[in-house]
Amino acid sequence: SQQGEEDPQALSIQEGENATMNCSYKTSINNLQWYRQNSGRGLVHLILIRSNEREKHSGRLRVTLDTSKKSSSLLITASRAADTASYFCATVLANAGGTSYGKLTFGQGTILTVHP
Amino acid sequence: GAGVSQTPSNKVTEKGKYVELRCDPISGHTALYWYRQSLGQGPEFLIYFQGTGAADDSGLPNDRFFAVRPEGSVSTLKIQRTERGDSAVYLCASSLDPSPGANVLTFGAGSRLTVL
Repeated sequence: SQQGEEDPQALSIQEGENATMNCSYKTSINNLQWYRQNSGRGLVHLILIRSNEREKHSGRLRVTLDTSKKSSSLLITASRAADTASYFCATVLANAGGTSYGKLTFGQGTILTVHP
Repeated sequence: GAGVSQTPSNKVTEKGKYVELRCDPISGHTALYWYRQSLGQGPEFLIYFQGTGAADDSGLPNDRFFAVRPEGSVSTLKIQRTERGDSAVYLCASSLDPSPGANVLTFGAGSRLTVL
């Protein structure tokens, strides 16, 4: 089952604009991560935000986390055509969901298209 | 190796045949994961290895699916009596620290399986 749900399912913008993607989840988390996937193949880790953090930055990426609303957002500023990809949020449950490791559960993703 | 390597990149087989997919993780990563991704969906967890042992195989859909990691490095995902519904991209990932607060996955490019 999918823990996270991304919104919107697809986003189309012009180069230079900002792109915002949202992720909602159902169960308390240890941390939430964002991954990027080009051309339907391997995923690349972008950023990890812990449940006690509210905002993190990495280059042109800004991630926020609102644990009271069980939601996160990924903002890409000054987008480029090369940012065209699918973006996935993934969660590690609080207390590791009863396991001993950080099991990642992925959402269905947002397809971002940046037009030059 | 420098990254996670998966072979074959593409596999086309007939319904009922046996398939093996191979994953070579990053050297030194004791944690290895298999995920399956259907078209338009996020990755779905299959199995997690810590060293040579399958620590969590709760995502394997049925007993036609089996995975091994005999020497704690290379892993093979084995699918018996393939069905058309098994068609998907099979993603392998590894991580250095699988603890809940630090588990960041490095993915391979995937093996695209098509069952005719």
